[in-house]
Amino acid sequence: DTGVSQNPRHKITKRGQNVTFRCDPISEHNRLYWYRQTLGQGPEFLTYFQNEAQLEKSRLLSDRFSAERPKGSFSTLEIQRTEQGDSAMYLCASEGSYNSPLHFGNGTRLTVT
Amino acid sequence: AQSVAQPEDQVNVAEGNPLTVKCTYSVSGNPYLFWYVQYPNRGLQFLLKYITGDNLVKGSYGFEAEFNKSQTSFHLKKPSALVSDSALYFCAVRDMDGGATNKLIFGTGTLLAVQP
Repeated sequence: DTGVSQNPRHKITKRGQNVTFRCDPISEHNRLYWYRQTLGQGPEFLTYFQNEAQLEKSRLLSDRFSAERPKGSFSTLEIQRTEQGDSAMYLCASEGSYNSPLHFGNGTRLTVT
Repeated sequence: AQSVAQPEDQVNVAEGNPLTVKCTYSVSGNPYLFWYVQYPNRGLQFLLKYITGDNLVKGSYGFEAEFNKSQTSFHLKKPSALVSDSALYFCAVRDMDGGATNKLIFGTGTLLAVQP
């Protein structure tokens, strides 16, 4: 169990640019989640994968956001035409079953200038 | 829809004193309840969970929580606080109503400050 790995740790980009984040879950976990956390708030659910299938997307996830999990392994979250309001910590988590806790990565902190 | 409330933005306690961080929840089905802790610029770390069974659950670092179905609460407790317990604490609930995702919903967090 090497834990959930997220890259990069920090990303600074100019408004209007596209960014992509990567998440490598714990290898035997088939469920993967993306959350967004802003200062002073709890994590907000963005989207969920079971294996390679994206089963749920939050209404928070506008058309500029897209997530993939090819082959049910790592996942990517892409934000197109970034806006200053996209500045946040993006957290990835994985789990093996509903009874077990989510294991979180250390997040990717996005700053849009 | 499921929701979680953490009524206190911050809890202050002296080292060695008992601490309580409050959490109430709302679900339509059976709740799975969790507590997580977050240190600055880090992800969330799991502390403890209630799925079924004994209402008092014990977790990491001496923390425990009591599930109270009638009050829909799941308060986090520790008999003797340490300065190193100072961090941001999140309560979370999963509504096991048979939905497709049963995603985890988090409260807004409570900052615990333990004074030496």
